Amino acid sequence: EPEVTQTPSHQVTQMGQEVILRCVPISNHLYFYWYRQILGQKVEFLVSFYNNEISEKSEIFDDQFSVERPDGSNFTLKIRSTKLEDSAMYFCASIYDNEQFFGPGTRLTVL
Amino acid sequence: SQKIEQNSEALNIQEGKTATLTCNYTNYSPAYLQWYRQDPGRGPVFLLLIRENEKEKRKERLKVTFDTTLKQSLFHITASQPADSATYLCALDLGSWGKLQFGAGTQVVVTP
Repeated sequence: EPEVTQTPSHQVTQMGQEVILRCVPISNHLYFYWYRQILGQKVEFLVSFYNNEISEKSEIFDDQFSVERPDGSNFTLKIRSTKLEDSAMYFCASIYDNEQFFGPGTRLTVL
Repeated sequence: SQKIEQNSEALNIQEGKTATLTCNYTNYSPAYLQWYRQDPGRGPVFLLLIRENEKEKRKERLKVTFDTTLKQSLFHITASQPADSATYLCALDLGSWGKLQFGAGTQVVVTP
């Protein structure tokens, strides 16, 4: 069964460093998403992406964040200058017939 | 944005019994309401979707109801098993490019 994959599973970085989180959505899906979940808190929407552009973004998704689909398979989330409060699980998702398929997540730890 | 409330306390239930979880929301009714399962350290897994014009949906041992007058959805796990132990998330599809707003989730613990 096709699935969304994410790499790395765990990323540790120093505050102020740039990180890129990678996702490979399911191949025939057209809409892609990033969500995050701070430990013990709700899953929060960050951004949706369709046809190579952002469809919608949340207040969390400020100028430090960007997304890109550099080729036909990868979908990336970049945080330019990480802050301590960016520490969270980041989930990529893609959608088909209103069902969202989530990846296993990347745990980002900012020290 | 919507406020979504789910039982914050864990639901402890004996194997074989039915677990019932509640999701209440404020403001306007969403186009779709979805339920997901989340295991510790893992991504949410889609379980069921119910549309605003549907009253009830079933999938195997799972049943979801949707009452737009009460602004409430109920999620039932019948004949519960220890493998059903997880956190169950209610999510509202806000009709905006598939953007989901999640509740905080209810943890279910099924004991043998």
